[in-house]
Amino acid sequence: GAVVSQHPSRVICKSGTSVKIECRSLDFQATTMFWYRQFPKKSLMLMATSNEGSKATYEQGVEKDKFLINHASLTLSTLTVTSAHPEDSSFYICSARSTSGRGDTQYFGPGTRLTVL
Amino acid sequence: RKEVEQDPGPFNVPEGATVAFNCTYSNSASQSFFWYRQDCRKEPKLLMSVYSSGNEDGRFTAQLNRASQYISLLIRDSKLSDSATYLCVVGPNTDKLIFGTGTRLQVFP
Repeated sequence: GAVVSQHPSRVICKSGTSVKIECRSLDFQATTMFWYRQFPKKSLMLMATSNEGSKATYEQGVEKDKFLINHASLTLSTLTVTSAHPEDSSFYICSARSTSGRGDTQYFGPGTRLTVL
Repeated sequence: RKEVEQDPGPFNVPEGATVAFNCTYSNSASQSFFWYRQDCRKEPKLLMSVYSSGNEDGRFTAQLNRASQYISLLIRDSKLSDSATYLCVVGPNTDKLIFGTGTRLQVFP
């Protein structure tokens, strides 16, 4: 299947700092990438849709000034959690949409576990 | 009512058993249906898409009932490696995916 990578896989930071997470599609170009968040024992919740070369579309209740998304190329999207607080601790997962020969679906990165102290 | 509902389980079954999961969705305009598998503390991995006519992939069979708005997944001849959480995923298209909370399966020897 399609390969999507995320970096870092795990990050621990102090409250008030900013954390940047990278999502890359390794073997296909993705005009659209997605950022999800998953709290323990909860379902994945879509935070925002990232479109290459344009502004991200945020879901209701997600602060765009807090979760900065940049999709500068067809293989890279970044999520920056600004001024992180303990309640931002979660599992952040990106996905990339592939439409080329694999059917139209989303492939997920391995996730980034963020812990804010 | 949740947009996608699943029985959280866990389903504890012996190796070789057949197990079925159901999922219901609330948005009748949904057009995309998938089953994903998620191992503990890992990302979801696509198991199979679900088509109106039903589809099979090896030991896995997925069915869609649009009239009743439910999706099922049948696993035959369960293996220990099938132990995971199975996520029912629905969307109006492949961009707006709504995830269920998952059904946990534990296969024991």
